[in-house]
Amino acid sequence: AQSVTQLGSHVSVSEGALVLLRCNYSSSVPPYLFWYVQYPNQGLQLLLKYTSAATLVKGINGFEAEFKKSETSFHLTKPSAHMSDAAEYFCAVSHAGSGNTGKLIFGQGTTLQVKP
Amino acid sequence: EAQVTQNPRYLITVTGKKLTVTCSQNMNHEYMSWYRQDPGLGLRQIYYSMNVEVTDKGDVPEGYKVSRKEKRNFPLILESPSPNQTSLYFCASSTPGPPRLETQYFGPGTRLLVL
Repeated sequence: AQSVTQLGSHVSVSEGALVLLRCNYSSSVPPYLFWYVQYPNQGLQLLLKYTSAATLVKGINGFEAEFKKSETSFHLTKPSAHMSDAAEYFCAVSHAGSGNTGKLIFGQGTTLQVKP
Repeated sequence: EAQVTQNPRYLITVTGKKLTVTCSQNMNHEYMSWYRQDPGLGLRQIYYSMNVEVTDKGDVPEGYKVSRKEKRNFPLILESPSPNQTSLYFCASSTPGPPRLETQYFGPGTRLLVL
């Protein structure tokens, strides 16, 4: 069975500081991994995804994530936070094997607060 | 513009009164799915459809029905809503087959309150 754990339901950073949102996954088959962002009163938007190519994945808005198989992690980072980054972030996993139904398993979400 | 639309965006209803939330996509996607979002639980899949007339249960299907008569539409039906179905609902779509299956496009959400 697959699962996702996001460490920290709320993260607060100052504008210009490093953003680090943690995600650990559990999967018995090679995973596909995703980060989605949800701005207030909006749907989910894909930030980036890992699908077994490069382990360092660059996404939109200056975000990137690194797939570390040995640590079963896919942490999201951004060197310098902007006020507009304040949102809820979801890590998700699906699997690359046969029988892929497309289901995404989501973490609980992390709310990012950016202080001026 | 490529998009997934949902209607209504907000709905207040009473226990037992049947309702339907519509979902439509204009990207000719074969795959569509419904999720519900609850605080502290993230998003959980309710039902999904790999193509027209092909639907299957997700993780939390109890109390819901779906149909897929046309490729573009995937309505979510609550035959007898109960207060525990108060939630934020998202529809998503994508093309099947890796890796595109994983790039799911989400609708704006439907916030449902069942009294």
